[in-house]
Amino acid sequence: GAGVSQTPSNKVTEKGKYVELRCDPISGHTALYWYRQSLGQGPEFLIYFQGTGAADDSGLPNDRFFAVRPEGSVSTLKIQRTERGDSAVYLCASSLTEALWNTGELFFGEGSRLTVL
Amino acid sequence: AQKVTQAQTEISVVEKEDVTLDCVYETRDTTYYLFWYKQPPSGELVFLIRRNSFDEQNEISGRYSWNFQKSTSSFNFTITASQVVDSAVYFCALSVSTGGFKTIFGAGTRLFVKA
Repeated sequence: GAGVSQTPSNKVTEKGKYVELRCDPISGHTALYWYRQSLGQGPEFLIYFQGTGAADDSGLPNDRFFAVRPEGSVSTLKIQRTERGDSAVYLCASSLTEALWNTGELFFGEGSRLTVL
Repeated sequence: AQKVTQAQTEISVVEKEDVTLDCVYETRDTTYYLFWYKQPPSGELVFLIRRNSFDEQNEISGRYSWNFQKSTSSFNFTITASQVVDSAVYFCALSVSTGGFKTIFGAGTRLFVKA
């Protein structure tokens, strides 16, 4: 499709398990973001890629969270030893890069709802 | 540090009323971008507008208008003659040169438009 695609749309897991969430950005978009949105809150920044490299990973809450984008397109957010507090909607967005940095609008996927029991 | 504050958590209006959503931002950068996004009940965030820090001209798009004032660090959004379909959560966002223009969001304002 033409938009940002995220899979799975819903994931229910048990505390302590490992989870992977996948994002397929719009073709040609070099900037890719991961956000986390809890109920009633705004998107919370996690990590931002320019191409294959993480331009800013300051939002990752701890070392249980990790994200990769090996070929500069698809990205995977990985959560180890999940905790109940990780339950949220994980949003992926992509954007065109203007000049050196990304200053354009973000195109969001529908999100992956993670529930940790 | 950068910050976006949307002080209004929820607003409820009757259809055809005008409504303004407030946004106040904080940054020490001189180059930055401001955005508004809409999140309807379906959940997917949709871009509405982008302004850069060097362009303080207000903008109108149909029933939507935006008032950018650097003197008060505000970027307010007005919907004229609101409609039920405007019911959604609206987010203001800021993107700054420090950190490579990552975009940070406010907490959002939930707008209810009643028929």
